[in-house]
Amino acid sequence: DGGITQSPKYLFRKEGQNVTLSCEQNLNHDAMYWYRQDPGQGLRLIYYSQIVNDFQKGDIAEGYSVSREKKESFPLTVTSAQKNPTAFYLCASSFQMNTEAFFGQGTRLTVV
Amino acid sequence: SQQGEEDPQALSIQEGENATMNCSYKTSINNLQWYRQNSGRGLVHLILIRSNEREKHSGRLRVTLDTSKKSSSLLITASRAADTASYFCATVPFTGFQKLVFGTGTRLLVSP
Repeated sequence: DGGITQSPKYLFRKEGQNVTLSCEQNLNHDAMYWYRQDPGQGLRLIYYSQIVNDFQKGDIAEGYSVSREKKESFPLTVTSAQKNPTAFYLCASSFQMNTEAFFGQGTRLTVV
Repeated sequence: SQQGEEDPQALSIQEGENATMNCSYKTSINNLQWYRQNSGRGLVHLILIRSNEREKHSGRLRVTLDTSKKSSSLLITASRAADTASYFCATVPFTGFQKLVFGTGTRLLVSP
């Protein structure tokens, strides 16, 4: 099956810890994205990548880091510098930046 | 930044009725897309309408675009309980970096 897979579905983090969220796609898409969704709000762009070995900050990149070493993978690290990390994180990919995006099922991160 | 604003924020209807959701945006666009999100899940792409198109259909969905008013509407005809979800519009700017910018969404509840 072609698609985009996020793991884990639920993640708990202690304050001061870094955690990494996984995102893998087998759609052969060049562009990949990370969004954050808070209750009652829309999606806000954290980071995006148009091609392997390249990525750019989105609107709320502070406290987050990414890598794009392989076309299929775009992991997101939530660092201890992110002061309010509890949220629903969504990864997406698309053929090009202005075409339809395919989303993973999300990772719900909770700080305990 | 969020360019799209959906209206209403929440909509409650009975099965069989039509549901209309509106989206307004601020800057010129390349295209506008509508997505659906079931609670706690990822987003699913519904339809993409380009800036030179005025109307598009897909099954029970009808999308209109009025670039002079910078607005779009999504009509779901003969709604079903399974249509219960949040619906988001997302715009791709005409100039500059072509990333998807999401609105805050409309929560639709369809009662049997």
